[in-house]
Amino acid sequence: ETGVTQSPTHLIKTRGQQVTLRCSSQSGHNTVSWYQQALGQGPQFIFQYYREEENGRGNFPPRFSGLQFPNYSSELNVNALELDDSALYLCASSRSGLDGYTFGSGTRLTVV
Amino acid sequence: GQQLNQSPQSMFIQEGEDVSMNCTSSSIFNTWLWYKQDPGEGPVLLIALYKAGELTSNGRLTAQFGITRKDSFLNISASIPSDVGIYFCAGRTLYQGGSEKLVFGKGTKLTVNP
Repeated sequence: ETGVTQSPTHLIKTRGQQVTLRCSSQSGHNTVSWYQQALGQGPQFIFQYYREEENGRGNFPPRFSGLQFPNYSSELNVNALELDDSALYLCASSRSGLDGYTFGSGTRLTVV
Repeated sequence: GQQLNQSPQSMFIQEGEDVSMNCTSSSIFNTWLWYKQDPGEGPVLLIALYKAGELTSNGRLTAQFGITRKDSFLNISASIPSDVGIYFCAGRTLYQGGSEKLVFGKGTKLTVNP
């Protein structure tokens, strides 16, 4: 079975720009969550998608938004990028209510 | 908000030594998870704990879910160089709207000297 894949692996954006990050879930997983990991910190929950709807959000502003598609893949969109948005963005998939989460390798976003 | 206190922050050990790290929280979690993260990679699940008091092993790794559901520990026996990395504890909790989220500790950076 394939794991969680994320693209791109690295990205450099300018402050004020918009970015879209993509994630393909592990086969059989119907729930996708996104996490932001700043350097030297543990991942922080951004939001979770189940059945193509956001069903939980962490302490992140509305300029962080997402989508989940019928094949359970997902996108994270960030508008009006700020320097503090520089981080590793991790996508995690799971079978709702079961097992641990499987993480992708992440997208390293640098905002300059 | 919910926070996990993970300790120690870093460890420097000799190959062959045993390692112990732990997490505590002021909140109750219904699942505890332990992950390992290598540089440039996402966290990889090591052990999942689902019941208070549960003790689970995975090879040289042993983890326990505290009776109070507010703590967990991870032990690594007979460490080897490939154990190098950052270890994270995570508590899984029900969230608004019926979703779940993971709350992570800040990690324990393990260095193993050959």
